[in-house]
Amino acid sequence: KQEVTQIPAALSVPEGENLVLNCSFTDSAIYNLQWFRQDPGKGLTSLLLIQSSQREQTSGRLNASLDKSSGRSTLYIAASQPGDSATYLCAAVGQGGSEKLVFGKGMKLTVNP
Amino acid sequence: GAVVSQHPSRVICKSGTSVKIECRSLDFQATTMFWYRQFPKKSLMLMATSNEGSKATYEQGVEKDKFLINHASLTLSTLTVTSAHPEDSSFYICSALQGPYGYTFGSGTRLTVV
Repeated sequence: KQEVTQIPAALSVPEGENLVLNCSFTDSAIYNLQWFRQDPGKGLTSLLLIQSSQREQTSGRLNASLDKSSGRSTLYIAASQPGDSATYLCAAVGQGGSEKLVFGKGMKLTVNP
Repeated sequence: GAVVSQHPSRVICKSGTSVKIECRSLDFQATTMFWYRQFPKKSLMLMATSNEGSKATYEQGVEKDKFLINHASLTLSTLTVTSAHPEDSSFYICSALQGPYGYTFGSGTRLTVV
């Protein structure tokens, strides 16, 4: 059974810092891994999707990497801004035919001005 | 990009009544949609997988007679909370799978049962 872990559960940083958010998964046989952002009381916004054959994806100040052999993915946020404050979730989809997303519990990020 | 529209965003209903939540894929066809429930400060809990033209698959512990799911077309899935009670108050979110492009989520529905 796939388990996804995000540590730490919360992070508070000053504006301008470069951040690394960690995500680990127990079953390396994943189809893809997706990073999301959730603002309070809102739905999820997809940030980056990494297919199992890829090692990283980039969008603006965001870069996500995937290392299946070690069961890890990282989300790198460059030059953090107060508007980046949100909860970040990673989720994995297994290769076993199920299309279910398995979520981590999320990491609440606060970027202080 | 892909858009999933979810309505209503907020609903307050009386105990014992039923509430319907709609989830529409606006610019793509979604043969599979998912319904989640989220408790305060918790991650998402998958309730059921909705497949167009067939019965939904419910996760263990989810009452299928209370949470009715209908996926009658490739762009619309509905979740009906029947005979709602205060403990059904929660944040409900749908998502749709867009092939290899990943999952797109609706904006969520805050249900309050009084």
